[in-house]
Amino acid sequence: DAKTTQPTSMDCAEGRAANLPCNHSTISGNEYVYWYRQIHSQGPQYIIHGLKNNETNEMASLIITEDRKSSTLILPHATLRDTAVYYCIVRVPYGQNFVFGPGTRLSVLP
Amino acid sequence: EAQVTQNPRYLITVTGKKLTVTCSQNMNHEYMSWYRQDPGLGLRQIYYSMNVEVTDKGDVPEGYKVSRKEKRNFPLILESPSPNQTSLYFCASRAQAGYEQYFGPGTRLTVT
Repeated sequence: DAKTTQPTSMDCAEGRAANLPCNHSTISGNEYVYWYRQIHSQGPQYIIHGLKNNETNEMASLIITEDRKSSTLILPHATLRDTAVYYCIVRVPYGQNFVFGPGTRLSVLP
Repeated sequence: EAQVTQNPRYLITVTGKKLTVTCSQNMNHEYMSWYRQDPGLGLRQIYYSMNVEVTDKGDVPEGYKVSRKEKRNFPLILESPSPNQTSLYFCASRAQAGYEQYFGPGTRLTVT
């Protein structure tokens, strides 16, 4: 599975969009980009995933660059409850393991 | 409600006293796995199971055992716990053809 690089931490004002970047320059053609988040010490929660097209669901949007070497998770209107560690994971579908790196600690500020 | 449950949620035990952490899912998922989370090390996979009676080692299997006798259950067994197994443990499940992995609420284990 390809390695990812994320900023250690970010701040975002409540109500504003939170844009969380992820670099995955060694991604291969059949690997997907997944985003999970972990609020405090709860179990990680799936947010969204994509292969090469931009994706949107009720939680977030995922923008993947054309060369697929980086992506951005967008929380359109961040709330205090979005404060969490966000993990970007690149892996083949149906693989055995999700490799969680250190992630980005997002703090949504009032 | 679709969920993964773990028990106990908190456990304090002593070195060498065998313990089992249970994990159960109600989604008929084929794939289940165990992770441990430690400060600075992130989540690391201990064991996984592709289906009943099929298990394999993850990245940090030493000191742990698992079994998968039923599809819904995947217990984690520590035969002789040691202080370095003090950690936060998560069980997860996924459908064989699914993209989303569902995690349990976690079990905080302290071994003294």
